[in-house]
Formats: sequence, C-alpha cells, structure tokens
Amino acid sequence: EVQLLESGGGLVQPGGSLRLSCGASGFSFSRYAMSWVRQAPGKGLEWVSTISGSGGRTYYEDSVKGQFTISRDNSKNTLYLQMNSLRADDTAIYYCAKIYSALTTANPHDYWGQGTLVTVSS
Amino acid sequence: AIQLTQSPSSLSASVGDTVTITCRASQGISSALAWYQQIPGKAPKLLIYEASSLESGVPSRFSGSGSGTDFTLTISSLQPEDFATYYCQHFNSYSHSFGQGTKLEI
Repeated sequence: EVQLLESGGGLVQPGGSLRLSCGASGFSFSRYAMSWVRQAPGKGLEWVSTISGSGGRTYYEDSVKGQFTISRDNSKNTLYLQMNSLRADDTAIYYCAKIYSALTTANPHDYWGQGTLVTVSS
Repeated sequence: AIQLTQSPSSLSASVGDTVTITCRASQGISSALAWYQQIPGKAPKLLIYEASSLESGVPSRFSGSGSGTDFTLTISSLQPEDFATYYCQHFNSYSHSFGQGTKLEI
C-alpha cells in the first residue's frame, strides 16, 4: 500500500524558514517523480514543485522560484521542501504527491499525503 | 504559462442528477488533463487522467472527455458522496497547473 506522510509544518514568523519532509512507502520511491502541492485556507490547489526520480531535474511554479528548494533522499525514501523567506501568503496545507508514471514527469498525481499545515504569522 | 478556467465555480444539484463541469485551457494541451475530487478536510483524489481514462477504483458514473482546449467531467446519477470540489489539472514535463475548482453542492 502506497503511503505518504508529511511532517515539518508549523507556525513560523514572516521571513523565516521551514523544511518539510514527506516519508514514502509501498512503492519503489526512486523510480517516481514527486511533487509538492499547496492549498491556502479556503482556496484551491496550487502546484508548487516537482522533482524527478533521480533528483536530477527540478521544476518550480514561478512564484516560488528562488525561494523554495525541492530535494529528495532516495536512500531514506524521503522528499523535502526547503522554504525560505516565508510570507503570509505562503500559509497553506502542503501536500506531497506521487507522479502516476515512472516514465515521465508529464503525468498527474495518483497518491497524496494527508498534508501538513504551514502558518506564516507574527 | 497555460491557464485553466473551470466553469461553473459552483453548482447545485440533487442526488440522482447528472452534472457536467467544464475546463478550458488557454492553449491547446492535447489530452494532457486530469480531474480530481476533493472532499473537505481530505487530500485530492485522482478520478480521470489523459482527459478520458478512468482511474482504477473510480466508479463508472464519472467520465471525462475532450482534447485540445475544451474538456468536460460528467458525473451521472449523483450519489451523496459525490458532493465535493472538483479540479482539473494540466500536466507536462515541467508544470502541473490546476483550475480554480468547482464546488458541487446539494
């Protein structure tokens, strides 16, 4: 059974940093690209970033380029999101999600974690 | 960047009804479109991929169609558990943008 479990969310002051983690199990983690998707309170889904299975290719939504860094440790089956210079509008539930196919990142997300809440406030 | 526009933003229906949600892309995207269902407090669930392929385990009352710029999600014979928010998503090698969502209410 595929399981994704996010952690690392919490309350952080504006300008602060936070690192989210997503532990994966139930599939061959290193074969699949993974993504972070966020959802601000009461708002829709927003894709944030995707990383290839090897970690060699990363992609970001324009608004987080230079601010967030996605990475992975395939030896630990763990996905990360380093978030710096946080602003109030980064407040959201952050989901990690698995890409459907091992062949390409050009696929939807078939499994999602339960999400971790990041609140940016003074 | 490709923009996805869903309509309507909200929709009222009754159990047993058939409803259709539309997603329009700002430029042609072939069939690179997925549909998700999100129940409040839960993670999104993949329903349809490649515009019209039903994800394993999803009831057959859900169907998708379209290609290019215009896509539809149809839910036949609505069940109580179908009242949720639905999102379309375009995917390519470097981006996975979402529509703004359609809330389906009783």
